[in-house]
Amino acid sequence: QKEVEQNSGPLSVPEGAIASLNCTYSDRGSQSFFWYRQYSGKSPELIMFIYSNGDKEDGRFTAQLNKASQYVSLLIRDSQPSDSATYLCAVSLGQAGTALIFGKGTTLSVSS
Amino acid sequence: DAGVIQSPRHEVTEMGQEVTLRCKPISGHNSLFWYRQTMMRGLELLIYFNNNVPIDDSGMPEDRFSAKMPNASFSTLKIQPSEPRDSAVYFCASSLNHAGYRYEQYFGPGTRLTVT
Repeated sequence: QKEVEQNSGPLSVPEGAIASLNCTYSDRGSQSFFWYRQYSGKSPELIMFIYSNGDKEDGRFTAQLNKASQYVSLLIRDSQPSDSATYLCAVSLGQAGTALIFGKGTTLSVSS
Repeated sequence: DAGVIQSPRHEVTEMGQEVTLRCKPISGHNSLFWYRQTMMRGLELLIYFNNNVPIDDSGMPEDRFSAKMPNASFSTLKIQPSEPRDSAVYFCASSLNHAGYRYEQYFGPGTRLTVT
């Protein structure tokens, strides 16, 4: 059974701090990795994707991938109260047309 | 460009009734996914289509659930008969599967279904 694990949280950080969200996956064949943000009552919104080992930066967000350890992380620098949401990690085998497997999400709370 | 469109946004129905959820994917996308989200189970894949063909329906909970994609711009998810345990938010997502693209999925706003 392919699984994606996340700490449910809540993860609480003060405004301006770095928030670190972690995710592990069970299938070594996984090739594509995604982070979605979901505000309460809204749909998941794609914020980052990464396919190669290492870091990928986009504004205040950095995704990190370590395939050997089967580990993906998301760093949010200069956290803002508007970042308060649930963050979903998703993994795909990367083949054409395959579906994503989602973790249950980590709830982030940024206090002002 | 319009995103994924779902209707209705909210549906309240009585146990035993038929429910039909609708989805219009992003224009040009050739893969469509139906998910269900609950607090207990999180976001679960029900079924997905590539080029209008169902590829994997192993997530469909039972025969009461069925999905169709008659053309590239429309899909339905039907529950007949509905039961209270079907209450959840149902999301449709679409993606473009083509050489050079990496299959990012984009979600619609969801349909909140309540079965009483």
